[in-house]
Amino acid sequence: NAGVTQTPKFRVLKTGQSMTLLCAQDMNHEYMYWYRQDPGMGLRLIHYSVGEGTTAKGEVPDGYNVSRLKKQNFLLGLESAAPSQTSVYFCASSYPRGGIQYGYTFGSGTRLTVV
Amino acid sequence: DAKTTQPTSMDCAEGRAANLPCNHSTISGNEYVYWYRQIHSQGPQYIIHGLKNNETNEMASLIITEDRKSSTLILPHATLRDTAVYYCIVRVAYNQGGKLIFGQGTELSVKP
Repeated sequence: NAGVTQTPKFRVLKTGQSMTLLCAQDMNHEYMYWYRQDPGMGLRLIHYSVGEGTTAKGEVPDGYNVSRLKKQNFLLGLESAAPSQTSVYFCASSYPRGGIQYGYTFGSGTRLTVV
Repeated sequence: DAKTTQPTSMDCAEGRAANLPCNHSTISGNEYVYWYRQIHSQGPQYIIHGLKNNETNEMASLIITEDRKSSTLILPHATLRDTAVYYCIVRVAYNQGGKLIFGQGTELSVKP
């Protein structure tokens, strides 16, 4: 059981390049989230999804797009990377099961540098 | 979304209890309090969560005040491996996305 897997783990981009970060979970979770974490700060929510085919904006959505075509995958896209998007990106998933509340499982992160 | 306030840093002696406070005065009735920790730059690790009642698991205890405006995470016997940043989070209701809104966290240093 792998949990939440993020690909790639590291990436260096040039300003203006595009890329897609992949988050895959094998726990049949409904809800998935993308966060970014800058040095010395807490995680900030970029986008999230409450089910296959649905996405919504979080606290800092500008410059990012997402897609949830399959329940197990949540993709984060940067169309034109900027140095301000240099950060560590974390994906998380969760499953609201009736009245029972569960914890959220996080991936190990993708370290992105835009030069 | 409800915000949380935590001390920036705390120290604790190894083997002693670590008590980490958190204020969440704007919490709504259906919002849960979650605690996570992050060691170095790893992904956050789940510790415990609660709504109204005090909770305990193998890692920690969570004490929530009766008015739910504050809580305390207790690590009963802190070890050096408990050195981490601890986040107190108010989780938005699942029918509003179930989002975890992180604050700045408390950097806990466990010292020998």
